[in-house]
Amino acid sequence: KNEVEQSPQNLTAQEGEFITINCSYSVGISALHWLQQHPGGGIVSLFMLSSGKKKHGRLIATINIQEKHSSLHITASHPRDSAVYICAVRSADNYGQNFVFGPGTRLSVLP
Amino acid sequence: DSGVTQTPKHLITATGQRVTLRCSPRSGDLSVYWYQQSLDQGLQFLIQYYNGEERAKGNILERFSAQQFPDLHSELNLSSLELGDSALYFCASSVGKSLATRETQYFGPGTRLLVL
Repeated sequence: KNEVEQSPQNLTAQEGEFITINCSYSVGISALHWLQQHPGGGIVSLFMLSSGKKKHGRLIATINIQEKHSSLHITASHPRDSAVYICAVRSADNYGQNFVFGPGTRLSVLP
Repeated sequence: DSGVTQTPKHLITATGQRVTLRCSPRSGDLSVYWYQQSLDQGLQFLIQYYNGEERAKGNILERFSAQQFPDLHSELNLSSLELGDSALYFCASSVGKSLATRETQYFGPGTRLLVL
């Protein structure tokens, strides 16, 4: 079993739809990150969470530490949101030194 | 533009060779992280340096080594290259030593390595 899992693997949505991407992890963590990888390969860090909820524009990220689960929501999706979304956790062991990445969710938003 | 620069953008080499990838962090950032992204393994954390010293080590092979220089740029050295080392290599930078705080890490555009 992978330490970080994401669902769905692939997601196709129509412009304007509300999107949810899920991340589950099995290790104790000190922080969880959501990353966006554009079709050209560039990576942008969207959020870093250790508890609760964060919002940036149309993006909302939540984390439930007890359930070891995080969600990334996109409201009013747009074709420019098409990208791979990657969940990464910083493990709490080894003094929180190690990053473990999920496999990514590939999102396509159609006009 | 994240402010993190990586050179070269593309690199083609042969098995058994050695290459050096270079990363310059954002101005003011003291931490540099190296990541490998291959088709079969996804993103993997390799190593982190903070202000010239190794801070954390992930899945970095013994054939790979890195260092951070006094001007804070970092180099990732890959030796005895194998076909399976073909991947995108990203570096990222952040201000402090641990992303368990409120910091953000900023990613460079990556170096695409192809080993033939």
